[in-house]
Amino acid sequence: GESVGLHLPTLSVQEGDNSIINCAYSNSASDYFIWYKQESGKGPQFIIDIRSNMDKRQGQRVTVLLNKTVKHLSLQIAATQPGDSAVYFCAESKGGGNKLTFGTGTQLKVEL
Amino acid sequence: DTAVSQTPKYLVTQMGNDKSIKCEQNLGHDTMYWYKQDSKKFLKIMFSYNNKELIINETVPNRFSPKSPDKAHLNLHINSLELGDSAVYFCASSHGGRGTDTQYFGPGTRLTVL
Repeated sequence: GESVGLHLPTLSVQEGDNSIINCAYSNSASDYFIWYKQESGKGPQFIIDIRSNMDKRQGQRVTVLLNKTVKHLSLQIAATQPGDSAVYFCAESKGGGNKLTFGTGTQLKVEL
Repeated sequence: DTAVSQTPKYLVTQMGNDKSIKCEQNLGHDTMYWYKQDSKKFLKIMFSYNNKELIINETVPNRFSPKSPDKAHLNLHINSLELGDSAVYFCASSHGGRGTDTQYFGPGTRLTVL
C-alpha cells in the first residue's frame, strides 16, 4: 500500500546550523508534496509545497528537494532558530485529489 | 481572528458516552476536513466535505458521524465512545477540493476517553 515515511524520528541541531529533514514515499503516482510544521499544542501549519514536475523549490529559509527516482523528499531549513523547534510532517497527494497522506513526523530540536 | 476554530479544546469523557466537536472556518473555504492524530503523532484523514457534501469517508467506524450545516461549519459527532477514540482531532479547511489547495488546520481538540 501507499505510505509516506520519515527516516529519523528526532533531529537535534545547534542554533544557526542548517537542518535537513528527510521523507521517503512509496507511491510513484504521488504528484504533489507538502511539508507541514506542528508546534506543541497547535495544529499543523503549511510550510512549503512542490509538484512532481519540479526538483526544487525555495521559500524563506526553507528549501524542498524532490528526487522522484528514489522517491525521496527533503526539507532544508537554513540558519535554524529556536522557533523552528517543532514536529515536521511530509504529506503527499495524487491525481488532483484532496486526500493527503501524512508521514510519521520528525521532531526537530534546536539547541542553544 | 482565528481562521479555523474548534470547540472544545479539551474533552474528557467516560466510555460509552456520546460527544460532539465543533469546527468553524471564517476563510470562505468550500472544503473542510476532519483528521485524527494518535499518541504517536500519526495524522490520518477521516472525512472531507465540499460545499456540505461528503467527498472523503475513510475507513472510520460508523460511530463517527460528521455533519455540515453550512460550508463554514463541520461538526463531528461520536457515539458510544471507546478508549481507542482517545486522540487529538483536527479540523481543517481549504479553498477547493484539490490536493494542491492548501489545507489550514485548527488548533485541535484533545479527546480523552476514560
